[in-house]
Amino acid sequence: SQELEQSPQSLIVQEGKNLTINCTSSKTLYGLYWYKQKYGEGLIFLMMLQKGGEEKSHEKITAKLDEKKQQSSLHITASQPSHAGTYLCGADIKGFGDNNDMRFGAGTRLTVKP
Amino acid sequence: ETGVTQSPTHLIKTRGQQVTLRCSSQSGHNTVSWYQQALGQGPQFIFQYYREEENGRGNFPPRFSGLQFPNYSSELNVNALELDDSALYLCASSFGWGTGTDTQYFGPGTRLTVL
Repeated sequence: SQELEQSPQSLIVQEGKNLTINCTSSKTLYGLYWYKQKYGEGLIFLMMLQKGGEEKSHEKITAKLDEKKQQSSLHITASQPSHAGTYLCGADIKGFGDNNDMRFGAGTRLTVKP
Repeated sequence: ETGVTQSPTHLIKTRGQQVTLRCSSQSGHNTVSWYQQALGQGPQFIFQYYREEENGRGNFPPRFSGLQFPNYSSELNVNALELDDSALYLCASSFGWGTGTDTQYFGPGTRLTVL
């Protein structure tokens, strides 16, 4: 099982609609990253959240970190076809190993219908 | 554009062969991490190098090995290829070594197919 669980696994929305993707950790979060990936390509960095209650926005994408709930959410307002892709959360979760490594969720595949 | 490049883009090998994948990090980035991403899954951490020394390793067998060079390039070597090694291999570079506070910038990946 994944240390980071993302929901939903996939999402189809009409252009212009809002949507939320969630990322839940089974361990304490020490930094939470959101990436976007087009099929078969590398990951594009979106945002990094470090502190509980932190919220960041970039264009129409907003991410929040709830440390107590060990959860982060990514919200897209007024979705556009350019938002389509797979969104991945990643986190440095100490306690999963003594090395420096980032764990990723399985991703949420977003389709935006024109 | 992340400034991280990988080569080759695609590669086809047969079971039992050896393969070397290459990555060129952003200038000034001392850390490179390698990930394996199977279809429909998130990336799985293979190992990390910081200033040419291995700084951490995930749950991968010793036939996965790496090198990092002073010129911000690095290699991932896989010996005795197995069918399950078919995946997208991603490298990511960062300035420091602590992934909890340091953003990793990913390359476009190398798609490896093992037949």
